[in-house]
Amino acid sequence: DGGITQSPKYLFRKEGQNVTLSCEQNLNHDAMYWYRQDPGQGLRLIYYSQIVNDFQKGDIAEGYSVSREKKESFPLTVTSAQKNPTAFYLCASSIAGISTDTQYFGPGTRLTVL
Amino acid sequence: GEDVEQSLFLSVREGDSSVINCTYTDSSSTYLYWYKQEPGAGLQLLTYIFSNMDMKQDQRLTVLLNKKDKHLSLRIAETQTGDSAIYFCADSRQLTFGSGTQLTVLP
Repeated sequence: DGGITQSPKYLFRKEGQNVTLSCEQNLNHDAMYWYRQDPGQGLRLIYYSQIVNDFQKGDIAEGYSVSREKKESFPLTVTSAQKNPTAFYLCASSIAGISTDTQYFGPGTRLTVL
Repeated sequence: GEDVEQSLFLSVREGDSSVINCTYTDSSSTYLYWYKQEPGAGLQLLTYIFSNMDMKQDQRLTVLLNKKDKHLSLRIAETQTGDSAIYFCADSRQLTFGSGTQLTVLP
């Protein structure tokens, strides 16, 4: 079955620690995305990557970092510089990263900072 | 920047129709999307409409697009309890999502 997986589903971290969220897809999609979702708000774009070894900042990239060393994987690191990291994080992918492509979403990771 | 707006809550009786509305600001949007999110889950694509269309029907779902007013709506016919979820409209050109409308279906 093709799809996008995110792990773990729930993640807890202590304040001041960095944490990395995993996103893997076997859809052979070139583009991948990370969004943050807060209660009562829409999704906000953190970073996106249209091709391996390349990525661009989204609307709220501060305090986050990404890498795209492989087509299948787009991990997101939430650093200690992120002031309010508790949120639901969604990863998505699309075929080619152009505006007409449908995005397919993973199940999400809920990060809680204690 | 560009914006997509939705009302936050909608309640309907089972069997009635639901209409979820969305307004957007980017007039150059090529596609507009509707996604469904069930509790604790990722987003599931429901349907989309190309910007040169006025209406698209897909089983119980009808999407209406008014480009002049930049208004998009999703109508769900014969709403079922399983339709209870958050519905997001999205403007993919800008990768911008609305805040989501929580649809509650009452028995």
